[in-house]
Amino acid sequence: DAKTTQPNSMESNEEEPVHLPCNHSTISGTDYIHWYRQLPSQGPEYVIHGLTSNVNNRMASLAIAEDRKSSTLILHRATLRDAAVYYCIQQPSGNTPLVFGKGTRLSVIA
Amino acid sequence: NAGVTQTPKFQVLKTGQSMTLQCAQDMNHEYMSWYRQDPGMGLRLIHYSVGAGITDQGEVPNGYNVSRSTTEDFPLRLLSAAPSQTSVYFCASRPPGYSYNSPLHFGNGTRLTVT
Repeated sequence: DAKTTQPNSMESNEEEPVHLPCNHSTISGTDYIHWYRQLPSQGPEYVIHGLTSNVNNRMASLAIAEDRKSSTLILHRATLRDAAVYYCIQQPSGNTPLVFGKGTRLSVIA
Repeated sequence: NAGVTQTPKFQVLKTGQSMTLQCAQDMNHEYMSWYRQDPGMGLRLIHYSVGAGITDQGEVPNGYNVSRSTTEDFPLRLLSAAPSQTSVYFCASRPPGYSYNSPLHFGNGTRLTVT
């Protein structure tokens, strides 16, 4: 079963920042937090991942709480192309599969 | 590089028919996996493989068989299709061993309808 909790849906205006929350209260010290997104009619694509420190890449930023029980995916300026389902995944160490939950459906309004 | 290639893109089967969904990757990834996605749902893991000759079951393995004879290919077999197997199937792979937190690379999916 998925170990993370996310809101079912969120809405954002175009050109504004978006903060997508995720709770992972059962996280252990070696579990990573991964984020993927799925655009309509496509397979999921990797967005970002992290362990303890905040992470930035060209797509997004990941802010991880100090106690690691929650994290926030930050899209700095939402565009219409960012409308997708965003999945937050708690990934144990080792060569184990990713378990997806239902994710958050992000709508972006022009 | 082609990445992860799934064939066919679409397939319609009658109940009881068998078929194989193909998945191939050209990135020398050891880890490969199959997920299914039903309407409005997240992805559920069917089977996965951590290398050639090694396979394991995921959350929903019943009705599906897999084998991994080469690093490149990870076919998913439906032995006797049922309407409950109507779904979109995604194959995914990940780079070798030491970096278990490397991203999964997904194919574009196979949309299967069983009537």
